[in-house]
Amino acid sequence: QVQLRQWGAGLLKPSETLSLTCSVYGGSFSDYFWSWVRQPPGKGLEWIGEINHSGIANYSPSLKSRVAISVDTSRNQFSLKVTSVTAADTAVYYCARKDVLTGPDYWGQGTLVTVSS
Amino acid sequence: DVVMTQFPLSLSVTLGQPASISCRSGQSLLHSNGNTYLNWYHQRPGQSPRRLIYKVSNRDSGVPDRFGGSGSGTEFTLKISWVEAEDVGVYFCMQGTHWPYTFGQGTKLETK
Repeated sequence: QVQLRQWGAGLLKPSETLSLTCSVYGGSFSDYFWSWVRQPPGKGLEWIGEINHSGIANYSPSLKSRVAISVDTSRNQFSLKVTSVTAADTAVYYCARKDVLTGPDYWGQGTLVTVSS
Repeated sequence: DVVMTQFPLSLSVTLGQPASISCRSGQSLLHSNGNTYLNWYHQRPGQSPRRLIYKVSNRDSGVPDRFGGSGSGTEFTLKISWVEAEDVGVYFCMQGTHWPYTFGQGTKLETK
């Protein structure tokens, strides 16, 4: 049974750095891309980026300048950092496993990150 | 980015009746490798999305066979043969052919 469990700070001030980590339990870590997706309150889902076990990362162009995704294969974990956050970054952030052949399948429980002064 | 447009945005369906959700993409989702990367997800309030359908019409393990996906190119449909109470929530389509991947706005399904 594959499970993704995520954690990180839920309340930030403008200009701070958002930092979240997702730990993967079960399944292979090296056969997938590991992704981050966010959902602003009451809105749809937005793809942030992804990384594989070798550290090859792909980012959405709209966030690329502020986003970094890293991977720790020794712990089966991957992390998201978003710098210089504003209120527009307020969202529920999800980590997800992406099967190369079929797309995102398993998702973490979500973390609400609120940016407020 | 490829715009994904879903309709309707909300749906109220009598239990036991069918439901249909459409998803239109701004570009063809046919990949150069011959696959079409269009998935459907269901999200209950306060929960994470759950994938129902991948590559247009393939049901995920554990998904009831009353859920079916179809379509090609830029037009796709999710059909529920008969709606049960557990089907309430929001349904999203997602394209994985063009980077960055993009989602539809979501269709909220309620039962009556």
